[in-house]
Amino acid sequence: AQSVTQLGSHVSVSEGALVLLRCNYSSSVPPYLFWYVQYPNQGLQLLLKYTTGATLVKGINGFEAEFKKSETSFHLTKPSAHMSDAAEYFCAVSPSLFGNEKLTFGTGTRLTIIP
Amino acid sequence: GAVVSQHPSRVICKSGTSVKIECRSLDFQATTMFWYRQFPKQSLMLMATSNEGSKATYEQGVEKDKFLINHASLTLSTLTVTSAHPEDSSFYICSAPMDRSAFSYNEQFFGPGTRLTVL
Repeated sequence: AQSVTQLGSHVSVSEGALVLLRCNYSSSVPPYLFWYVQYPNQGLQLLLKYTTGATLVKGINGFEAEFKKSETSFHLTKPSAHMSDAAEYFCAVSPSLFGNEKLTFGTGTRLTIIP
Repeated sequence: GAVVSQHPSRVICKSGTSVKIECRSLDFQATTMFWYRQFPKQSLMLMATSNEGSKATYEQGVEKDKFLINHASLTLSTLTVTSAHPEDSSFYICSAPMDRSAFSYNEQFFGPGTRLTVL
């Protein structure tokens, strides 16, 4: 079974400051990990994913995340926040077994950017 | 990139009526599609897995007779909310993995969502 915990339902940062959104996972098998972004009344857009290989993954819009197996974490970071980063962010986990596995989502973190 | 569409994007209906939501993979085939429900300011909860040519697999607690799923072709899945009531009002999102392999990760692509309001 898989589960995801996102610490902090709301995060506020100043424009230009570091963004850190936390995600911890639980998985009975090696996981695939994802970060998605959702803008109001829209579907989800993939920011980045970890499947295998390099544990530091870079995504779109300057975001990156590091898979730390020992800490069961996959925190999302961005060095300098932009106003357009304001959105809801979801961490998700999938078992790395077959091709079409379902995703389990965290509860989400709403990111607010302060001008 | 791969595109998944949903229709309609927004629907308002009276209590007791049925509403059909379509999910289409526009430029790829998807033998599997997933249907999620999202309440305001909450996460996505998987409702069911739609399988082309066979019955859908429902998550625990989801009423099969309430939420009818039909995966009619390799590019189309439909979710019908039968006898809708106000508590069914929600944001419904589908996703489709692009079929490449049965033994390695297939990236999922999400539709833009359908907002259902039942009066």
